[in-house]
Amino acid sequence: NAGVTQTPKFQVLKTGQSMTLQCAQDMNHEYMSWYRQDPGMGLRLIHYSVGAGITDQGEVPNGYNVSRSTTEDFPLRLLSAAPSQTSVYFCASRYFYEQYFGPGTRLTVT
Amino acid sequence: TQLLEQSPQFLSIQEGENLTVYCNSSSVFSSLQWYRQEPGEGPVLLVTVVTGGEVKKLKRLTFQFGDARKDSSLHITAAQPGDTGLYLCAGSNNNNDMRFGAGTRLTVKP
Repeated sequence: NAGVTQTPKFQVLKTGQSMTLQCAQDMNHEYMSWYRQDPGMGLRLIHYSVGAGITDQGEVPNGYNVSRSTTEDFPLRLLSAAPSQTSVYFCASRYFYEQYFGPGTRLTVT
Repeated sequence: TQLLEQSPQFLSIQEGENLTVYCNSSSVFSSLQWYRQEPGEGPVLLVTVVTGGEVKKLKRLTFQFGDARKDSSLHITAAQPGDTGLYLCAGSNNNNDMRFGAGTRLTVKP
C-alpha cells in the first residue's frame, strides 16, 4: 500500500515549456486534488476531482489542466510554464475527512 | 488576505514547555482540520473537528473548535523535539473546497 505517489520529485522548466506532473493513489479514493504551496501562502487548491471523468476548478486553476480517466490517476498539466508557477505541488486523495497527501513535486520555472 | 489566519507565524521553544497556536477566520466552517508537515514531505492529517465547542485530544496535543466554528486552537503539552514542524489548519464548508492557513512553524529545542 503506497498511498499517494507523485513524480517527479524535482523539475526545472524553461518559460513556455509544458509538462505533466503525475499523481497516483492505491486507496480507491474517489476524491483527488492538486494544491500548490508557496511561502507565506499556505496550500491553495488548483483542481479537484470527485471521481473518474469528473473534474472541477479550485482557487487557482489558471495555467493548469487536469483529467481523470481512472480512479487511481490524476495528472496535472502545465500548458505553458511561467515563472509564477514556481512552487511545490502536492496531490492528495480523500475518503470523507481522511485526506492523504503525496510527497510533493518541487517545480522551478526559469 | 488569507481566509484562515494562523498565529504565531513562527514559534521557538525549549523542550518541556507548553504552547498554543491559533487558527482564526471571519468565516464559519462545517469542518476544520489540523495537519503537521515536515520539510520535504506532504502534510499529515492530525485531527478533524466538526462540532462547535468540540475538544479532541491526541496524546499531548489538544485541539479545540470554537463555539461559532470560526476558529480553532492547538495546544501542545510538554513539547518534544519530535513536535518540530509546520502546523497547518484547513477549513471546509463543502467537501470539495478546502482552504488552508499559511501555517505556524514550530521549533522545539532539546
